[in-house]
Parts: sequence; structure tokens; C-alpha cells
Amino acid sequence: TQLLEQSPQFLSIQEGENLTVYCNSSSVFSSLQWYRQEPGEGPVLLVTVVTGGEVKKLKRLTFQFGDARKDSSLHITAAQPGDTGLYLCAGAPPNSGGSNYKLTFGKGTLLTVNP
Amino acid sequence: NAGVTQTPKFQVLKTGQSMTLQCAQDMNHNSMYWYRQDPGMGLRLIYYSASEGTTDKGEVPNGYNVSRLNKREFSLRLESAAPSQTSVYFCASSQGKKSPLHFGNGTRLTVT
Repeated sequence: TQLLEQSPQFLSIQEGENLTVYCNSSSVFSSLQWYRQEPGEGPVLLVTVVTGGEVKKLKRLTFQFGDARKDSSLHITAAQPGDTGLYLCAGAPPNSGGSNYKLTFGKGTLLTVNP
Repeated sequence: NAGVTQTPKFQVLKTGQSMTLQCAQDMNHNSMYWYRQDPGMGLRLIYYSASEGTTDKGEVPNGYNVSRLNKREFSLRLESAAPSQTSVYFCASSQGKKSPLHFGNGTRLTVT
């Protein structure tokens, strides 16, 4: 099983600050997904990145897939209290064709944005 | 549009009791999944069903059974609950094996 390490594990910031969270592995992934999970709810998919070096933007969120497809980052600009939640990354191994059946999830970064 | 609906939301069992977690999706998705989420462990796949009539083991299938009752419904059964099965269980669905996962809101299970 491929391992995904997410850092930091916990992050508490003030509204308006910028932040970056990381998802790292020693293994290559064919694709990588980012989810946000709010308390008492299931994860919701934010983005999927598939190409090394790819950058995707979703409003104030910027996702980057590493050139070697072993790591990814999520940058949030001007964080808002509504960004509070558990951010999970999930990777599909190279021989899976991006299949959900072989996804490995990281343990997540718990972000709190204080007003 | 309800998406993925899980019942019950909370359940407390004594060791050795059995129960079935229910999941239904209204998106006409082909694939359905059961995950468990534990502190410090992340989400782990228990079983999945690629299509109606098929089921396959995931990463942590021991102690569980599943039934894909029809295209909409995928249930998870614990025959003899153990404290190690205390967890939050999530059902998910997707159109195909590479399509985005849609999760339900989970069932919080405590086994004493």
C-alpha cells in the first residue's frame, strides 16, 4: 500500500492569512485528489490532478501536482472561516489507471480559520 | 437531490451483536463503496461494488460482509461486532471507477 503523508496535521490561523498544506509520498501516483470534509459530513471532492507539474485553481484555492507526481500542495489565499475543515488527499497508484478501487487516502490536515 | 443517504446516523452495539448499515444513492451510479474513518488512520476501503451484482474486497474487509441489493443500494453487515470496529463508516458512489466519489454523511458506530 502506498503511503501519503499530509502536513501539517493541525493548522489554526486567523481570517485573511494565507496557508499551504502538503501531501507527500515516496511513490508515484497516476492521479491525486483533494477533498474537504466538514464536521459531521462526508468528504467532498475539490479537484483531481493528473499531470506532473499541473496547477489548478478553484477560487482562492490553488492545487499543484509535483513534477515527479509524488507530491502535491494546496494553497489557500486570504483564508475565511468557511474554509475550516479536514483536507484530505488521495492518490491512485500508476498501475491502477486512476481507479477509485485502489485509492490511498492521507490522514488529513485539520484547518481552523478563526474570525 | 439527496445524493448518498446512509442510515442510521449513530449506533451503539455491544460486543457480539450484529447490525446492517444501509446506503442508497439516487444518482444512477454504477459503483459503490464502503469506507471506515478512524483517527490517525485516514479513510480505508472495506468493500466496493463495481456494478450491480458484483462485490470485491478492499483494504480492510475482515469482519464485514456486503450486499449490492440493486443499483441503488449497498449494505454493510457486521455479523459479530468487536470494539475494533468502532469507527465512522462512509458509503460512497461514483459513475465509473475513475469518476469522482460522492460520499454520504456517515454512520458513527460505537461497539462496547
